[in-house]
Amino acid sequence: DIQMTQSPYSVSASVGDTVTITCRASQSITKWLAWYQQKPGKGPKLLIYKASDLQSGVPSRFSGIGSGTEFTLTISSLQPDDFATYYCQQYHNYPYTFGQGTKLEI
Amino acid sequence: EVQLVESGGGLVKPGESARLSCEASGFTFNRASMNWVRQTPGGGLECVAFISSDERYIFYADSVKGRFTISRDSAKNSLFLQMDSLRGEDTAVYFCAREGIGFGGFMDYWGRGTLVTVSS
Repeated sequence: DIQMTQSPYSVSASVGDTVTITCRASQSITKWLAWYQQKPGKGPKLLIYKASDLQSGVPSRFSGIGSGTEFTLTISSLQPDDFATYYCQQYHNYPYTFGQGTKLEI
Repeated sequence: EVQLVESGGGLVKPGESARLSCEASGFTFNRASMNWVRQTPGGGLECVAFISSDERYIFYADSVKGRFTISRDSAKNSLFLQMDSLRGEDTAVYFCAREGIGFGGFMDYWGRGTLVTVSS
């Protein structure tokens, strides 16, 4: 199985800040990477797919970049609604695997 | 509006069985590939089963292979997960998730999940 490693495990930030989360794959996944946001008691919400394509309805302050084994999610101008846990997921092959999550805290 | 609503969770004893259901609405169910994804109490996410829109392809995580069975009923717009020989490590919230139609792998809609607790 492809291992996905996220960093940092948690990050503290303030409204208006810019935050970057990194995800590394144990082997090349080309651009088959998605990013999700999850809040307590809810299922994950898709933010980005194919490494950099923004899901419909997701604010443009979310952006993704990367290919191969290294990817980043950047959230610019943090809003109060952005404080949540973020996961990356590879879909290069099954089983699809997730990073361990990054908790974004105030 | 796309909706996925899971049901069937609860407390079960080790070695027993449970059957999860996911009722889908707001989209053409028989065009979508579907997944069951679980989240452990520690927060980790694991894809446990996949079924393609035409049921030609079915995949399982090694951790559940031979014990879990995924199925779907397009007439009822429903997805199922039959879980047999349950173990403590199967304790998790189980989500039903739709793959992006026409694409592969990423999941564009998720339910709220149903909790399965395996304990004596």
